[in-house]
Amino acid sequence: ETGVTQSPTHLIKTRGQQVTLRCSSQSGHNTVSWYQQALGQGPQFIFQYYREEENGRGNFPPRFSGLQFPNYSSELNVNALELDDSALYLCASSLGTSGNTGELFFGEGSRLTVL
Amino acid sequence: GDSVTQMEGPVTLSEEAFLTINCTYTATGYPSLFWYVQYPGEGLQLLLKATKADDKGSNKGFEATYRKETTSFHLEKGSVQVSDSAVYFCALREAGTALIFGKGTTLSVSS
Repeated sequence: ETGVTQSPTHLIKTRGQQVTLRCSSQSGHNTVSWYQQALGQGPQFIFQYYREEENGRGNFPPRFSGLQFPNYSSELNVNALELDDSALYLCASSLGTSGNTGELFFGEGSRLTVL
Repeated sequence: GDSVTQMEGPVTLSEEAFLTINCTYTATGYPSLFWYVQYPGEGLQLLLKATKADDKGSNKGFEATYRKETTSFHLEKGSVQVSDSAVYFCALREAGTALIFGKGTTLSVSS
């Protein structure tokens, strides 16, 4: 069984640039969510995709956007990068969205540094 | 809104010491509660969970009991090992919503 994989693992951008992060969900999982983890903080929910539709969003501005593809892989796009966007971006996959007991499986993250 | 508060770290212990990491929560409904662990250089892994009041989650010698009356979910282990050194996150999830995490507690165990 393949786990959640993310790419790239590390990247450096400058303010104002755009970035795309990618995630392959665990085999059989149809839901992907993205979290931002700033240094020394807990992960913060960005949004969730279920069957290619966004079905939940945290307190992040519209310049954070995403996609989910028919194979349930996903992208996180961030436009007009700001210094505060520097963080570890985590992707998590799960099966379904209903209820509150399902386990999320996390990737190792993409570490973004904005200079 | 919902929130999770966990004790500040770092927590530094000697091998075989007893561990407690406190976690309290605020929620409007009936959340499930989780402890996740992040080992150095790795992604978050689910350590244990409890889905209703008085449930006890356990895994790898760690335990936590869902206490509705005190809105707590403290993590305990009777005898820590060096390999337990990691960052521990308490989290909650209400139906159909995202995980809400605490800020994390760093545990460092020395031999």
